[in-house]
Amino acid sequence: DVKVTQSSRYLVKRTGEKVFLECVQDMDHENMFWYRQDPGLGLRLIYFSYDVKMKEKGDIPEGYSVSREKKERFSLILESASTNQTSMYLCASSSVAGVSYEQYFGPGTRLTVT
Amino acid sequence: AQKVTQAQTEISVVEKEDVTLDCVYETRDTTYYLFWYKQPPSGELVFLIRRNSFDEQNEISGRYSWNFQKSTSSFNFTITASQVVDSAVYFCALSDKGNNRLAFGKGNQVVVIP
Repeated sequence: DVKVTQSSRYLVKRTGEKVFLECVQDMDHENMFWYRQDPGLGLRLIYFSYDVKMKEKGDIPEGYSVSREKKERFSLILESASTNQTSMYLCASSSVAGVSYEQYFGPGTRLTVT
Repeated sequence: AQKVTQAQTEISVVEKEDVTLDCVYETRDTTYYLFWYKQPPSGELVFLIRRNSFDEQNEISGRYSWNFQKSTSSFNFTITASQVVDSAVYFCALSDKGNNRLAFGKGNQVVVIP
């Protein structure tokens, strides 16, 4: 069974803190993604990575950075958390072996910045 | 321009009624893929179906069915004889341009009332 795990289901941080969200997949997928989900806005892509040490900006990269040192792990970093980054964060992965790029998702991390 | 439009935001039905979710997409590519995902209250997006642009056959899986019509750029999803467990947010998504990214609609919140 495909498996994408995220380090925390719920997280509460203070404004200005550095926040790390971790995502691990066990499917040997090349592509990994970070989204945020907000009511009425659907899923918006923050960053994605198609290989180790490679990254590309998505639609809303401002205020975020990412790290992919190993194929199975993709980290999202909030350098200085702000209240407008309170959201649900979803990680996903997909394989380039197929052509349809169907993505598999983790359970999500609900981040609250106070 | 929005590539995937899900016009209805919240839909409430009484248990055992049918519910249809509309998805209209926009692409200039001849090769593309369409997806439906389900997000139950637990938060994890669950893949339901993938359809490529060359396969216009409708599909039925249990109480779920999908109607793909290229002529109207629509990929609609019907739940027959709805159950409380069908209460979730449903997302339609598009992959085109042969890239790794999915464009998601804003989702339909389905509430099944017992």
